[in-house]
Amino acid sequence: QLQLQESGPGLVKPSETLSLTCTVSGGSISSSSYYWGWVRQPPGKGLEWIGTIYYSGSTYYNPSLKSRLTISVDTSKNQFSLKLSSVTAADTAVYYCARKGNWFDPWGQGTLVTVSS
Amino acid sequence: SYVLTQPPSVSVAPGKTATITCGGNNIGSKTVHWYQQKPGQAPMLVIYFDSDRPSGIPERFSGSNSGNTATLTISRVEAADEADYSCQVWDSSSDHVVFGGGTKLTVL
Repeated sequence: QLQLQESGPGLVKPSETLSLTCTVSGGSISSSSYYWGWVRQPPGKGLEWIGTIYYSGSTYYNPSLKSRLTISVDTSKNQFSLKLSSVTAADTAVYYCARKGNWFDPWGQGTLVTVSS
Repeated sequence: SYVLTQPPSVSVAPGKTATITCGGNNIGSKTVHWYQQKPGQAPMLVIYFDSDRPSGIPERFSGSNSGNTATLTISRVEAADEADYSCQVWDSSSDHVVFGGGTKLTVL
């Protein structure tokens, strides 16, 4: 079945760029039926939508993050990626990738990214 | 921007019915999806399109959506249902995804 796996550094320094990759297995990221998304969850808080991308490269971003955010897709590797620049402690969170139709399912297991010097 | 409001916590005794609300302006005109999240785990879809259940989700989980409130109902609550529950919609006016703040369900 479809599986997603996040990867990337678990520790990022303030003002630097957070970079994560989501690898999709068991299915094609080029499916015309789905988008692919990123969601984060700060410790002890609720879910926050980060952004969504289609295999063609079309993107939708959370307006609160848009100025710092880039989401891209690499169909040859069946991956999509997240870059968030100028990070602060407020960006510390578990970052999830997920397939998105009308809803998010399935989800990756999530990866904790801590912003600290 | 569109806002979804959930109660921070709901408590229920085993065997009783839990009701978790998700409030939003004219949310009845949107489709609502619900996720269950247990500690240390990724969210899991439990209701989609307001009231449909994915395969493997017990019939005890049901949903409704009308007016300004969507509701997740869990009947005959079990200890294993203790988790955080979040609602989600897509705001077509902005092409943005919106999550509610989440509700912690405690089974007494």
